[in-house]
Amino acid sequence: SQTIHQWPATLVQPVGSPLSLECTVEGTSNPNLYWYRQAAGRGLQLLFYSVGIGQISSEVPQNLSASRPQDRQFILSSKKLLLSDSGFYLCAWIQLAAAAYNEQFFGPGTRLTVL
Amino acid sequence: EDQVTQSPEALRLQEGESSSLNCSYTVSGLRGLFWYRQDPGKGPEFLFTLYSAGEEKEKERLKATLTKKESFLHITAPKPEDSATYLCAVRAGGSNYKLTFGKGTLLTVNP
Repeated sequence: SQTIHQWPATLVQPVGSPLSLECTVEGTSNPNLYWYRQAAGRGLQLLFYSVGIGQISSEVPQNLSASRPQDRQFILSSKKLLLSDSGFYLCAWIQLAAAAYNEQFFGPGTRLTVL
Repeated sequence: EDQVTQSPEALRLQEGESSSLNCSYTVSGLRGLFWYRQDPGKGPEFLFTLYSAGEEKEKERLKATLTKKESFLHITAPKPEDSATYLCAVRAGGSNYKLTFGKGTLLTVNP
């Protein structure tokens, strides 16, 4: 069966520090991968998605970036964090070849607090 | 631009008191409407996908329905463990399977 991991689970970082969040999917190959942010009182905001290794599409201009160095690994990064980067970061995947309905499955999330 | 509006923002029910959550949407070429359940501090858990008006899906005490403009999540005789935030999302054609989410409905079921 497929599983999705995210780490760390929680993170407290000072303003201006760098960031690296990791997402790994197991039990599937060539998934579409997605990064979302969920801020208090707001819906899930799509940040980046990837349809393959090295292929990244950005949805929202910001100081964040994403990379996909391996088929089942998706990384969210920042060189300098802002207070507004605080939130709950979620990784999601779709296995296009197998799923008839193509629903997205979510990881457990990373709670980021920028102080 | 695709839009999803969920109502109410919050709903309190007594155990056994049935009700419905609403999800109104505007999308260019609907390719799926998705319902998720999210517990505090956790990632959303997939519940249903609906594709065409008139379609219905059921799971335990939950039933999701779809019209051309909105979807309803009916909760029959809810229990305290049904307390969660329920999220609705839509996928448009040619979107690379991206989803547009509503802000969710926070459901609290009191014993």
